[in-house]
Amino acid sequence: GAGVSQSPRYKVAKRGQDVALRCDPISGHVSLFWYQQALGQGPEFLTYFQNEAQLDKSGLPSDRFFAERPEGSVSTLKIQRTQQEDSAVYLCASSLVAGTTYEQYFGPGTRLTVT
Amino acid sequence: KQEVTQIPAALSVPEGENLVLNCSFTDSAIYNLQWFRQDPGKGLTSLLLIQSSQREQTSGRLNASLDKSSGRSTLYIAASQPGDSATYLCAVKLGSARQLTFGSGTQLTVLP
Repeated sequence: GAGVSQSPRYKVAKRGQDVALRCDPISGHVSLFWYQQALGQGPEFLTYFQNEAQLDKSGLPSDRFFAERPEGSVSTLKIQRTQQEDSAVYLCASSLVAGTTYEQYFGPGTRLTVT
Repeated sequence: KQEVTQIPAALSVPEGENLVLNCSFTDSAIYNLQWFRQDPGKGLTSLLLIQSSQREQTSGRLNASLDKSSGRSTLYIAASQPGDSATYLCAVKLGSARQLTFGSGTQLTVLP
C-alpha cells in the first residue's frame, strides 16, 4: 500500500519568507509526528498529533513554527519568517495507536534551504 | 532526558565482512528500540524493531540485540555488501512518550 508522502520534496526560501510543508500519512494511522533533521545529525522531535489533536508540541523551536492536522489526516507544518537556522530536512512519520508496537513509518522528507 | 549515542560515527569495511554497529541510551525505561537505514537524500527505512521485553530480532542478514539494563543495542550485519552502504540510525521510544529519540547515526561504507 501507499506509504507516507511529503511535498514538496525540496524547498528554497529567502530569509523572511513563510513556508508550508505537507504530510500525507498512511491511511488509518491515527498518530502523526514531525521531526527536524539537521545535516549530519539524527532527527529531532518537533510535534505529535493523535487524530486532529496536537498532544505535544514541546519540540517546536520557536513560535514561528506551527503545525496543524484539521481533519485528522493530512498535516501541514508552517514556518513563518524563515531564518537560515531553519535549513534542514523535515520528516513526517505516522503510526497506529495503542495496542500495537507503535512502529513509526517515515516519509521521504522535505529539504528546506533558507538563503 | 533520554540521550542516544551511536559509535562509531563512520565505518568503512571491505565487502564480505561481518560488522557491528553500536547504540547506547541513558534511560532504560524504554518501550522499544528501532533501527533505521537512511540513504543519501532519502527518508528513513525501518529495519528492525525490538520490544523492551525482547532480547533480539532478526531479518535476513541483520540481527539486532537489546540489553535494556546496560542501555545498549547492537546491529549485526553479516556478509556485508556495497548495497548496505548507508547511514544507520537507532531510535528509542520511552514508555512515557510517543516520540522517538534518535542517535546521530553511523555512516557505513562497504567497499567492493
